[in-house]
Amino acid sequence: DTAVSQTPKYLVTQMGNDKSIKCEQNLGHDTMYWYKQDSKKFLKIMFSYNNKELIINETVPNRFSPKSPDKAHLNLHINSLELGDSAVYFCASSQDPLSNQPQHFGDGTRLSIL
Amino acid sequence: RKEVEQDPGPFNVPEGATVAFNCTYSNSASQSFFWYRQDCRKEPKLLMSVYSSGNEDGRFTAQLNRASQYISLLIRDSKLSDSATYLCVVNNRAAGNKLTFGGGTRVLVKP
Repeated sequence: DTAVSQTPKYLVTQMGNDKSIKCEQNLGHDTMYWYKQDSKKFLKIMFSYNNKELIINETVPNRFSPKSPDKAHLNLHINSLELGDSAVYFCASSQDPLSNQPQHFGDGTRLSIL
Repeated sequence: RKEVEQDPGPFNVPEGATVAFNCTYSNSASQSFFWYRQDCRKEPKLLMSVYSSGNEDGRFTAQLNRASQYISLLIRDSKLSDSATYLCVVNNRAAGNKLTFGGGTRVLVKP
């Protein structure tokens, strides 16, 4: 009965490869997010979707492409992986983008680039 | 200047003691404030929201000072299980419910 689940939990791959991370939430939330937490532990938002529409797109290289097939899913595809992409990527969801409700996070995907 | 700033710590706290720490934010338009807790290699989890008049949840007390643009968290009667990183989170709803996280304050409760 995991609320926000993301797969895989660990991803080790070589520079230059293309990889995807999947996220699903069963909370009935309208809004989903992708965050990156780097080695200095700062959590930074990358993207946000509300009902499949992109509403937040921070300064992220265009090698990163989010896709939301429906409001319960938000996947992240990364092309041409670079060493600096090594981080923990967290998916999150919230009721709606303008509410005062907090966000619920998935377990994180630990991406290591060799 | 970072949007949300925290003392990274660590705060070494004897079990049973009280610890308090602050977080400052730079955007005066910020509307919602939260404290999240993150254990090592885990996801952030909401600890408590911070209300204008201050609020308490068991051993945890949160305060908001809009004039000076800071929020605080106080933990009373610290338990070993309180050891974690506490993330100050500020929400600007006009920016699409974008949460801005502080770097976290690490708290280590020792026997």
